[in-house]
Amino acid sequence: ELVLTQSPGTLSLSPGESATVSCRATHSVSGSYLAWYQQKPGQAPRLLIYGAAYRATAIPDRFSGSGSGTDFSLTINGLEPEDFAVYYCQYYENSPLTFGGGTKVEIK
Amino acid sequence: DVQLVESGGGLVQPGGSLRLSCAASGFTFSSYPMTWVRQAPGKGLEWVSSVSGPGGTTHNADSVKGRFTISRDNSKNTLYLQMSSLRADDTAVYYCAKHDIRQQLASPFDYWGQGTLVTVSP
Repeated sequence: ELVLTQSPGTLSLSPGESATVSCRATHSVSGSYLAWYQQKPGQAPRLLIYGAAYRATAIPDRFSGSGSGTDFSLTINGLEPEDFAVYYCQYYENSPLTFGGGTKVEIK
Repeated sequence: DVQLVESGGGLVQPGGSLRLSCAASGFTFSSYPMTWVRQAPGKGLEWVSSVSGPGGTTHNADSVKGRFTISRDNSKNTLYLQMSSLRADDTAVYYCAKHDIRQQLASPFDYWGQGTLVTVSP
C-alpha cells in the first residue's frame, strides 16, 4: 500500500522567504494524480495543486508544484502572512486515497 | 456557489452508531463523486470513504470497513455516512468533500464542508 512521507514536519520561516515541502512516495506513482492542500487552524482544507503541477482555481502563482516518480514538492515563493498553515500531499488515482502526514509552515 | 454542510455529529458511546449527513448545493450533485475525510484532534487528514456519482461504487478505508457505510440520495442532494461499532479512535472532525471532475473518482477534492465533530467516549 502506498505511503506518502512529507518532510520536514515543521518549517520555520519569515514572511518573504521561500518554502519547499517534500512528499515522497513508497513506490513510483503518476504525477497526474498528486495533489496538495492547505489547511489553516479551524478551517477545512483547500485544494492548491492537482496533477502535481497545476494550480487550482484562484490559487496565487507564488504556489508551485513539481516532481515525478517518488519525489514531489510544493514551493511557496515569497511567503505571505496568510500562507502560514499546514500543507498535505495526497495521491488520488485509486483507493485508498492516501494523504501525507502534513507539514506545518510556521512563522519564525 | 458550491456549498457543503455537514450535520449529525455529536457524542456517542463506544459501540454506538451515528449517521452523518452532508447537504450539497450549487452544483449538479449526482454528477460528482463524493468523499468523507476525517481528522482526529491535532492529527492529519485521513481518507474514510468515497462514492461514485450514481452511488453504485463505493470505497472504504481498511480502518472503517465493515463498520461504516457511505451512501447518497441524489434526489435530496445529500451524502451520508452511517457509522456503527464506533471506537474511541473514530473521534474526529468529519469532512465531506466534492470531487473535481464529473464521474471521475480519480480526481482531487475541490470543495470541502466545514466539518462535524464526532466524539466517541463513555
